[in-house]
Amino acid sequence: GAVVSQHPSWVICKSGTSVKIECRSLDFQATTMFWYRQFPKQSLMLMATSNEGSKATYEQGVEKDKFLINHASLTLSTLTVTSAHPEDSSFYICSARVGDKMNTEAFFGQGTRLTVV
Amino acid sequence: AQSVTQLDSHVSVSEGTPVLLRCNYSSSYSPSLFWYVQHPNKGLQLLLKYTSAATLVKGINGFEAEFKKSETSFHLTKPSAHMSDAAEYFCVVSDRVTGGGNKLTFGTGTQLKVEL
Repeated sequence: GAVVSQHPSWVICKSGTSVKIECRSLDFQATTMFWYRQFPKQSLMLMATSNEGSKATYEQGVEKDKFLINHASLTLSTLTVTSAHPEDSSFYICSARVGDKMNTEAFFGQGTRLTVV
Repeated sequence: AQSVTQLDSHVSVSEGTPVLLRCNYSSSYSPSLFWYVQHPNKGLQLLLKYTSAATLVKGINGFEAEFKKSETSFHLTKPSAHMSDAAEYFCVVSDRVTGGGNKLTFGTGTQLKVEL
C-alpha cells in the first residue's frame, strides 16, 4: 500500500517555543492530507484538512493560529504548533488518501509524540 | 449523520482462542467501512475494508469482518489470537457528507489484550 512518513516520531520542547511536524506521501501525490490529535487511550480527533495550494480547513474548536498548516506541495504537509504549552502535549497523526472516493482507505503516518515541558 | 460505536472498550482473550471485536454504525447512505490496528505510539495500519463488493471481507494477519446491513454491524473476528495481536483496534466509517465529498468517522477504539 501507499506510504505516509511522519517526522519526527517524538519531540520534547520548552513551553513557548514552536514545533514543526512534517507529513510526506512517499509514493503517491496527495492533494489532501489530514491532521489528527489523539489523547491517551482515546480515539483520533480530526483537527484539520490540509489542502495543497490553498488554506487548510479546520474543525470546530481548533485554533488555526495555534496550529499552522502548510501544504506547499503534493507530497508534503506540515503542522506547526506555535507557542506550545503543556496542554498541547499529545500524539499527532497525519494521514492521506489516494484519491477522494468514499471507499478509499486512509494511510497514516507513524505519529509524533509531542511533550511540552 | 454517520457514527460508529465500538461496544467494548477492552477485550481480553487467551492466546489461541477466537477474537471478536464489535462495531455498529449508522449512516444515511451505503458506507464504506474499515478496521485499523494501532500498536503503542504508532500510526494506524489498515486491516481490512468493506466497499460493497462482498459482505465477508478478509484482511491481513488472519482477521476478517462481516458486513451485516440488517444489523448495521461490521464485527471483526479472528479464529485464533496471537500475542502479537495485542493492540488498539478502530472501526472507521467513510460516508458522504452534505455538500459533497466524504468523511471518515472513527470509533472510540477497543483495546485487545492477549494472555498466555
